[in-house]
Amino acid sequence: KAGVTQTPRYLIKTRGQQVTLSCSPISGHRSVSWYQQTPGQGLQFLFEYFSETQRNKGNFPGRFSGRQFSNSRSEMNVSTLELGDSALYLCASSFGTDSYEQYFGPGTRLTVT
Amino acid sequence: AQKVTQAQTEISVVEKEDVTLDCVYETRDTTYYLFWYKQPPSGELVFLIRRNSFDEQNEISGRYSWNFQKSTSSFNFTITASQVVDSAVYFCALSETTDSWGKFQFGAGTQVVVTP
Repeated sequence: KAGVTQTPRYLIKTRGQQVTLSCSPISGHRSVSWYQQTPGQGLQFLFEYFSETQRNKGNFPGRFSGRQFSNSRSEMNVSTLELGDSALYLCASSFGTDSYEQYFGPGTRLTVT
Repeated sequence: AQKVTQAQTEISVVEKEDVTLDCVYETRDTTYYLFWYKQPPSGELVFLIRRNSFDEQNEISGRYSWNFQKSTSSFNFTITASQVVDSAVYFCALSETTDSWGKFQFGAGTQVVVTP
């Protein structure tokens, strides 16, 4: 069974630009969660999608948004990039209930200059 | 407020020694789930173990074992006979059931360094 895939793996953007990251979950998983990982703040929850609906959202500004498609693939978008958005962005897929473990992709390393 | 606390920042051991990682959590939910993940230098978080709040039985799986104590809100994890490949950052995570769809709350992580 293929694992969670994320594209691209690395990105370099300039302040003010926008970026779109993609995540393909494990086959059969309908939930996709996104996390931001930085040395200072650690792993922080961004949002979760299930069956194309956002069910939960973390404490991030509106510049961070996402969506999920009918095949459960998900994208997250960050507009008007700031230097502080430089981070490893991880997506995780699961069956969609609290009891199930999440399986993570390799992450997208975003650098904002 | 931090709901998952991993007080140990880094642990260094020599191969074959045992390593115990501490995790203390905070929740008001009666039903919740606890997890341990490993993050090697490649960056991908790897699922290790899961425990629910109703099952305090401690288990061993290969070289991994865990000690879950609700009375002290602790969920400690032990690697027996450590190997160099165990070098990674280990995260403890909490999944609550109140307004928590898809949201795992992670501790700050403990860096484990195993030297030959």
